[in-house]
Amino acid sequence: NAGVMQNPRHLVRRRGQEARLRCSPMKGHSHVYWYRQLPEEGLKFMVYLQKENIIDESGMPKERFSAEFPKEGPSILRIQQVVRGDSAAYFCASSSGQAAYGYTFGSGTRLTVV
Amino acid sequence: KQEVTQIPAALSVPEGENLVLNCSFTDSAIYNLQWFRQDPGKGLTSLLLIQSSQREQTSGRLNASLDKSSGRSTLYIAASQPGDSATYLCAVPQGGSEKLVFGKGTKLTVNP
Repeated sequence: NAGVMQNPRHLVRRRGQEARLRCSPMKGHSHVYWYRQLPEEGLKFMVYLQKENIIDESGMPKERFSAEFPKEGPSILRIQQVVRGDSAAYFCASSSGQAAYGYTFGSGTRLTVV
Repeated sequence: KQEVTQIPAALSVPEGENLVLNCSFTDSAIYNLQWFRQDPGKGLTSLLLIQSSQREQTSGRLNASLDKSSGRSTLYIAASQPGDSATYLCAVPQGGSEKLVFGKGTKLTVNP
C-alpha cells in the first residue's frame, strides 16, 4: 500500500513557465483533493475531483490554474505562466468517498518560482 | 462559512509533560473531525479521526475529544517525547461538503 504519491517533491520554475504537479491516489480511492499551503498560512482547499469529473473547484484561482483526473493515470494540477506568488506547498489527498474513513494526504510538491 | 482556530499557536514543553492542544470551529454541523501531524517540509500524517457520533478517540499516547455542541476538540498528548515535536493541525469539513477547513496549527516543541 503505497499511500498517496505525489511528484515531483520539489519543483523550480521561472516566472512565466508552466508547472505540472502529479498525484496518484491511494489504492482503492477514487476521490482526489488538492490543497495549497502558502508560507506561514494554513492549508486551503483548491479542488475536488473524481475520475473524469471536477466536483468542486471553488477554491481554484479563476485564471492560470486547472486540474484533471483522467480515466487512466494520475491527477494533474497545472499552473500556467507561474508567478512568484504561486510559490507554495501543494498537497494532494485522496479518499474512498465515504467521509467516515477520513482523508489520506501525500507528501506534497514544493513549488518555487524564481 | 466554517472557520477553525487552534490555540496556542506554539508550545514549548520539557520532555515527559502531558499537554493539551485546542481546536475550535464555528459551524457545529460536522460529520467528523481529523487531527494531523506535519513535520517540517513534509506531508500530513493522520493521527485521529473522530466521527460526529463519538466523543473521543485514542491511539497510543494520543487522545482526542470532540464536543460538537460547543464547537471544540482537544488533542491530549501524554508523556511527551522529543519525537512529538511537529505542527499539529485540526480539520473539519466545510458544511456538508467533502472539502476540509484547516486551522493554522499548533507548533509543538518538546525539549529533551
